[in-house]
Amino acid sequence: DTGVSQDPRHKITKRGQNVTFRCDPISEHNRLYWYRQTLGQGPEFLTYFQNEAQLEKSRLLSDRFSAERPKGSFSTLEIQRTEQGDSAMYLCASSYGTSSYEQYFGPGTRLTVT
Amino acid sequence: AQRVTQPEKLLSVFKGAPVELKCNYSYSGSPELFWYVQYSRQRLQLLLRHISRESIKGFTADLNKGETSFHLKKPFAQEEDSAMYYCALSDQANSKLTFGKGITLSVRP
Repeated sequence: DTGVSQDPRHKITKRGQNVTFRCDPISEHNRLYWYRQTLGQGPEFLTYFQNEAQLEKSRLLSDRFSAERPKGSFSTLEIQRTEQGDSAMYLCASSYGTSSYEQYFGPGTRLTVT
Repeated sequence: AQRVTQPEKLLSVFKGAPVELKCNYSYSGSPELFWYVQYSRQRLQLLLRHISRESIKGFTADLNKGETSFHLKKPFAQEEDSAMYYCALSDQANSKLTFGKGITLSVRP
């Protein structure tokens, strides 16, 4: 499968713990996006990278959230001191180019905070 | 601020019936509009974008700037069209997507 991959697919954690998710984009895609989706809502933008540079962060991304894309390939999204409100599906997408090209989505990581 | 509104959560039709999934948007500039679809147990994928003016799987969508709408239409629904459909808007400056809440289309035999 040469599409966008995400790991893990499911994560259950206790409140207050830290979690880290990984996204591997389609190779040669220079843009990588993170979205969050809660029940009954569409995906909401969190942040995006062009190569290794993080170009925009949503106000939804509190200081407990951090994302990296160190070599312009895979990306990680870390949530520190998780809260129950962080329970959601975290989606990663990638695209090629610098304008509004098609975004290819991964299967998502479902986070449950107990 | 940009916003996408999908006023209905569920549309249930019989096979062969016409389908119209509504989408309205709010954006001050010139947006790019998209329809994404998610079939059962599959990932979110692009169905069509307004700029390409294509018909994909029999679906079409016309951007109406006067009414700020981008409704998705299909004249004859098929059972395999059953899925979750999201309307999305892109800011051309950085291409992040703003999604609506989505609508479930159920096509009954």
